[in-house]
Amino acid sequence: EDQVTQSPEALRLQEGESSSLNCSYTVSGLRGLFWYRQDPGKGPEFLFTLYSAGEEKEKERLKATLTKKESFLHITAPKPEDSATYLCAVQATAAGNKLTFGGGTRVLVKP
Amino acid sequence: DGGITQSPKYLFRKEGQNVTLSCEQNLNHDAMYWYRQDPGQGLRLIYYSQIVNDFQKGDIAEGYSVSREKKESFPLTVTSAQKNPTAFYLCASSMRASGNNEQFFGPGTRLTVL
Repeated sequence: EDQVTQSPEALRLQEGESSSLNCSYTVSGLRGLFWYRQDPGKGPEFLFTLYSAGEEKEKERLKATLTKKESFLHITAPKPEDSATYLCAVQATAAGNKLTFGGGTRVLVKP
Repeated sequence: DGGITQSPKYLFRKEGQNVTLSCEQNLNHDAMYWYRQDPGQGLRLIYYSQIVNDFQKGDIAEGYSVSREKKESFPLTVTSAQKNPTAFYLCASSMRASGNNEQFFGPGTRLTVL
């Protein structure tokens, strides 16, 4: 069974204080790993797809990396507008288009 | 504008009633999905459809039903058999072509059972 675990559950940061979110996964074969941002009461917003170990992608203050067992979402010099819940999901090669989601990390950036 | 729309944004249901949540997309995506999100939890897959007139159960399909009569539409019915229907419901879509599997989400419907 595919499993995704995100840590920490919640993270409080001061503006400018860089940090990393972890997404550990267990899948029979990884087709892709996805990161989403979700604001309260809204649908998730797609951020990145990573396909193979060693791959990295960046968008503004966010950088996602991937190993064979986990992915990290690095937030560099965060601003209050980066406050959100960040969701990680995996797609297994044997699962078609199905995604398995982790529980998310709630990030609060204080000015 | 291309995107996914869900309606209504808020829905209140009395116990014993069936309700239908709407999901429409104009992205020309083949695949559509329904997820349920409970407070502090990740998304759980209810049903998905890869093509018109075909759909499959996800991990928590009991008490739900769907139809896919048009490519653009994938309505979800929450039946009275669903024991704990209060949740945030999210619809998503994706292109079926390999190598482009990102799912894009609608704004969600919050269902409350009174």
